[in-house]
Amino acid sequence: AAGVIQSPRHLIKEKRETATLKCYPIPRHDTVYWYQQGPGQDPQFLISFYEKMQSDKGSIPDRFSAQQFSDYHSELNMSSLELGDSALYFCASSLGGPLHFGNGTRLTVT
Amino acid sequence: GENVEQHPSTLSVQEGDSAVIKCTYSDSASNYFPWYKQELGKRPQLIIDIRSNVGEKKDQRIAVTLNKTAKHFSLHITETQPEDSAVYFCAAAAGGTSYGKLTFGQGTILTVHP
Repeated sequence: AAGVIQSPRHLIKEKRETATLKCYPIPRHDTVYWYQQGPGQDPQFLISFYEKMQSDKGSIPDRFSAQQFSDYHSELNMSSLELGDSALYFCASSLGGPLHFGNGTRLTVT
Repeated sequence: GENVEQHPSTLSVQEGDSAVIKCTYSDSASNYFPWYKQELGKRPQLIIDIRSNVGEKKDQRIAVTLNKTAKHFSLHITETQPEDSAVYFCAAAAGGTSYGKLTFGQGTILTVHP
């Protein structure tokens, strides 16, 4: 069965640079969620989109923005990167039920 | 907002023993409680979930119990196997359009010794 696809798998950036993470949800899933998981931490909810509209917002820094496109894929844009932004970023999708997580993007900021 | 507390932070058992992980939540509006298993560097995988209109749910060696009055839910794994070793997270959500706005517990590192 098709799963949530995230790209890239790994990303290395320097401080103050920008990064764009992409997420392709499971076909026909109408909701996309972004989570950030720091080393040894639990996942933290960032933001979600339902039918291309922002549906919920969590602890997402103002330096981050996200959107969902007409084909339902989503992108998380991160600017002015800080060392503390180094984390695993998971995208998940659902169709009104349990979340299906992608394999994540590991972002390292040096 | 919701706050989820999870205990213990580490749990070590012998193969074949049972393992129990407990969580409490603060928001009485929460009505969906999933449990995830996460191996190092990999994605969280849903192993079982329960909704607030149910007190207990079982799937083979895994069971979850929910006490809404006490705002407490627990994961029970019986006949543990070495491949059960991982980090386990409980989570809570308010359901409806916030189904996926999960607040996670701090995680439990489960080690099953052969």
